[in-house]
Amino acid sequence: QSALTQPPSASGSPGQSVTISCTGTSSDVGGYNYVSWYQQHPGKAPKLMIYEVSKRPSGVPDRFSGSKSGNTASLTVSGLQAEDEADYYCSSYAGSNNRYVFGTGTKVTVL
Amino acid sequence: QVQLVQSGAEVKKPGSSVKVSCKASGGTFSSYAISWVRQAPGQGLEWMGGIIPIFGTANYAQKFQGRVTITADESTSTAYMELSSLRSEDTAVYYCARAGEEWLLLGYFDYWGQGTLVTVSS
Repeated sequence: QSALTQPPSASGSPGQSVTISCTGTSSDVGGYNYVSWYQQHPGKAPKLMIYEVSKRPSGVPDRFSGSKSGNTASLTVSGLQAEDEADYYCSSYAGSNNRYVFGTGTKVTVL
Repeated sequence: QVQLVQSGAEVKKPGSSVKVSCKASGGTFSSYAISWVRQAPGQGLEWMGGIIPIFGTANYAQKFQGRVTITADESTSTAYMELSSLRSEDTAVYYCARAGEEWLLLGYFDYWGQGTLVTVSS
């Protein structure tokens, strides 16, 4: 099973918005609503930011939002803050054979 | 508050096996799946397999079939991941992660362990 495709990097100034794409296929992203997004700071475990395409866990700021269109999911971070600088990974359920796939990861830099 | 605490770092020889533990506390253990996800140095995340403890049967990513064994001990609320025939490419941080919904093997992971570094070197 191939990893989902994300841009290697994205950046924005404080207060701006950044959107990260996550492209898969009809067998994963396009086929299920189990798309989630994780934030990972260096040396730390991943943290769930978005689940089931657009739901936010308790405690995650509403500056983080998710969406999906066809085989591509997106994470938008609005009002960028310094602490948002991290790696972001998307993931998707991929069916009973392929199970579960992560994206290639995107490094977000706050300029 | 759910906590997953993993065992410490390991250094292993090529061809050997490693077994990493993940002890859960603060929530229901038996009906929430535990998955194992690894991350090689400077690389992305990779799902290896998972188990719903009360059912006892693990599901594995095709890549690791035959080389990984995931088990769970309900009496101690601890999950285990054993990887055999280790090679240098298995050097990575191994995470356990809990599924976000009861009875759901895969979907999303809401709690993660702190990670265990496994280094494979001769």
